[in-house]
Amino acid sequence: GAVVSQHPSWVICKSGTSVKIECRSLDFQATTMFWYRQFPKQSLMLMATSNEGSKATYEQGVEKDKFLINHASLTLSTLTVTSAHPEDSSFYICSARDGLAGVTDTQYFGPGTRLTVL
Amino acid sequence: AQSVAQPEDQVNVAEGNPLTVKCTYSVSGNPYLFWYVQYPNRGLQFLLKYITGDNLVKGSYGFEAEFNKSQTSFHLKKPSALVSDSALYFCAVRDLEYGNKLVFGAGTILRVKS
Repeated sequence: GAVVSQHPSWVICKSGTSVKIECRSLDFQATTMFWYRQFPKQSLMLMATSNEGSKATYEQGVEKDKFLINHASLTLSTLTVTSAHPEDSSFYICSARDGLAGVTDTQYFGPGTRLTVL
Repeated sequence: AQSVAQPEDQVNVAEGNPLTVKCTYSVSGNPYLFWYVQYPNRGLQFLLKYITGDNLVKGSYGFEAEFNKSQTSFHLKKPSALVSDSALYFCAVRDLEYGNKLVFGAGTILRVKS
């Protein structure tokens, strides 16, 4: 149980295009999902918290107009990187919490999406 | 402010030997502690968590961790390492005062040699 999937697993795009990444909780409902970014050999950087049916909460320094997040259902959140540039190339990981945002909930992570912008 | 420290960038251990990956934390309230493992080009896999109760927590793949409040530590351990345990390990803490978000350590690379 508690499986989170991401699609696509990798994507290569041209500079200026937009890329959408999907995150799904396969066997549980997730009122809260998270989007992280990870640079090589570094820890995870939280980008935003995605709440079902409401606007995402972005961390300081993350451009909300650049990284559009939609959490339309209890099992799906999407991250759209708009007008992507080479500096947006990174490993993007989503996670979902298995409870109702309680402090003891476990976060389960997706396998990640490798974005390369040429 | 809450923080997590993993003092070792890399830990090397021979197969069959016990392993320890260190983690210390700093939070203002009660700590809720987690260990995750990441294999190359993959997401994080949950290993175990400490919420309350017994200080020794048992998790997946034979791993366990010991919560030590006085030393503010939550070291990950395994009695006998496997080559397949080689991966990147992250310690994380959740703090109520930080909006229930997870704060991750920098990660420790574990290399198990046969």
